[in-house]
Amino acid sequence: ETGVTQSPTHLIKTRGQQVTLRCSSQSGHNTVSWYQQALGQGPQFIFQYYREEENGRGNFPPRFSGLQFPNYSSELNVNALELDDSALYLCASSSGAPLYEQYFGPGTRLTVT
Amino acid sequence: DAKTTQPPSMDCAEGRAANLPCNHSTISGNEYVYWYRQIHSQGPQYIIHGLKNNETNEMASLIITEDRKSSTLILPHATLRDTAVYYCIARRDSGAGSYQLTFGKGTKLSVIP
Repeated sequence: ETGVTQSPTHLIKTRGQQVTLRCSSQSGHNTVSWYQQALGQGPQFIFQYYREEENGRGNFPPRFSGLQFPNYSSELNVNALELDDSALYLCASSSGAPLYEQYFGPGTRLTVT
Repeated sequence: DAKTTQPPSMDCAEGRAANLPCNHSTISGNEYVYWYRQIHSQGPQYIIHGLKNNETNEMASLIITEDRKSSTLILPHATLRDTAVYYCIARRDSGAGSYQLTFGKGTKLSVIP
């Protein structure tokens, strides 16, 4: 059984650029959630995808968007990057039931200069 | 989700029990208490969750007070590998937003040799 994987591990972008982060969910999981973790803070919920549909969104602007594919892998896209977007981006997968624990990947460290 | 309050940091001697407290005085009847931990530069890891009964698994025990306004996570024999930030989260079991995890700043546990 493979765990949650994310790519790339690290990324450096310039303000105003666009970025795509990728996540492969754990085998058997149909739900993917994305979180942003700024330095020294807890992770903040961005949005969740369940069976290719957005299933909830946190307090993030529309320039944060996502996709989920038929194999349940997912992408997070961020347009018009700002310096404050520099953070660790975490992906978590789960089976879809509310009480089931979420399994997190190692994250992608994004630096915006 | 109910707000949770945790001490920002704690120390524990290696081999001793680590008792991490969490206050959730506004928790509602359908909110579970979840604990996750995050070892430096890794994604959060699920530890345990409970509603009102005490719970135990191979990693830890969770003690929830009878009025459910507070709980304690117990690591029975702390090791250096338990050094991490521990997050206490209140999470609904159904309805809008029930899938997301709302992280605070957590407790930084340092296990000392």
